[in-house]
Amino acid sequence: DAKTTQPNSMESNEEEPVHLPCNHSTISGTDYIHWYRQLPSQGPEYVIHGLTSNVNNRMASLAIAEDRKSSTLILHRATLRDAAVYYCILRDLDAGGTSYGKLTFGQGTILTVHP
Amino acid sequence: EAQVTQNPRYLITVTGKKLTVTCSQNMNHEYMSWYRQDPGLGLRQIYYSMNVEVTDKGDVPEGYKVSRKEKRNFPLILESPSPNQTSLYFCASSRTPGSYGYTFGSGTRLTVV
Repeated sequence: DAKTTQPNSMESNEEEPVHLPCNHSTISGTDYIHWYRQLPSQGPEYVIHGLTSNVNNRMASLAIAEDRKSSTLILHRATLRDAAVYYCILRDLDAGGTSYGKLTFGQGTILTVHP
Repeated sequence: EAQVTQNPRYLITVTGKKLTVTCSQNMNHEYMSWYRQDPGLGLRQIYYSMNVEVTDKGDVPEGYKVSRKEKRNFPLILESPSPNQTSLYFCASSRTPGSYGYTFGSGTRLTVV
């Protein structure tokens, strides 16, 4: 399975933008880039995903490098409720592969938001 | 409300006593999966199911069984629980693997003594 690398932790101040990086240098053409977050004592929550183009939704933006070897999750204005572990994951959509559809979680980035 | 429902939320049991953790989704999703989460090891996939009557092993299937007789339900069965299965378990569902995200349940904290 293609792997992702994220910083162990990051800090931000409330109402400031946050850029969470992710490296995935072995990404394949059939891998979608997914981001999830997990708040304390809760299940992971889907944030955003993309393939090649930058994506925006109500929660965040996803910027994908042209060569797809890295991506950045952007929280435009961090709030205290955004404090969580953020996971960058590659989801393999190759129906012939053994990891079809699978999500393999790494250790993620612990985001701390200061008031 | 679209959701994945797991039961129970908390369970304490004794070694060897068979138990079932239920998982149900109301989104007509084809793909369902079970994960366990342990400190320092993160989330690891136990089993997954592409559709009714189609299941396959994930990364840590030993000691677990699953079944998928209906699209909405995907129970996790521990035939003979052991203390090393003490963990936080999550069920998740998704549309047929395309460019869709997973929806996770709230988790089941299992303690085996």
